[in-house]
Amino acid sequence: AQRVTQPEKLLSVFKGAPVELKCNYSYSGSPELFWYVQYSRQRLQLLLRHISRESIKGFTADLNKGETSFHLKKPFAQEEDSAMYYCALTGQGAQKLVFGQGTRLTINP
Amino acid sequence: DTGVSQNPRHKITKRGQNVTFRCDPISEHNRLYWYRQTLGQGPEFLTYFQNEAQLEKSRLLSDRFSAERPKGSFSTLEIQRTEQGDSAMYLCASSPLTDRPQHFGDGTRLSIL
Repeated sequence: AQRVTQPEKLLSVFKGAPVELKCNYSYSGSPELFWYVQYSRQRLQLLLRHISRESIKGFTADLNKGETSFHLKKPFAQEEDSAMYYCALTGQGAQKLVFGQGTRLTINP
Repeated sequence: DTGVSQNPRHKITKRGQNVTFRCDPISEHNRLYWYRQTLGQGPEFLTYFQNEAQLEKSRLLSDRFSAERPKGSFSTLEIQRTEQGDSAMYLCASSPLTDRPQHFGDGTRLSIL
């Protein structure tokens, strides 16, 4: 079964501190992993995907197949990073996204 | 390009009524997806189209739900005999045929009285 787990519903850090949003997945095969973000009053939008190996807005995420994790990290949090973050996967040949429950990140000034 | 457009933004109806939502994908996006999101949860897949063909349906999509994409452009999602449990945000997304990520609309929030 395909499953994405985000263990933290809420995460609060101070501006300038490092931030890590956890994501673990269950999938028997080679999934593609994504992070989507939803800022206040905006639509869900793609932040990054593991195959791109990009850094977007200072965020990075590395796929760890051994630990079946895809944690999102940023070394220095900014107030504009406050948002809802969703980890998602799609399987080989599949089109649908399977989402985690989401983590609400709050950056305190 | 204005992105994925969904109408209405909010629908309030009485239990037992039928409702229909519309989604206009990004122009030339062949794939169109419907998801449902309830409070405190991530989006859950309902169904997806490639052009006009409905290729996959979730078991979440009961007999009361039907989706169409008659000309391979916009899509409609109809819920018949609405129930309290249908209250949710209904999200539409689209993507091209090539290996590109999905783009989401703002959603239609359904409230059942």
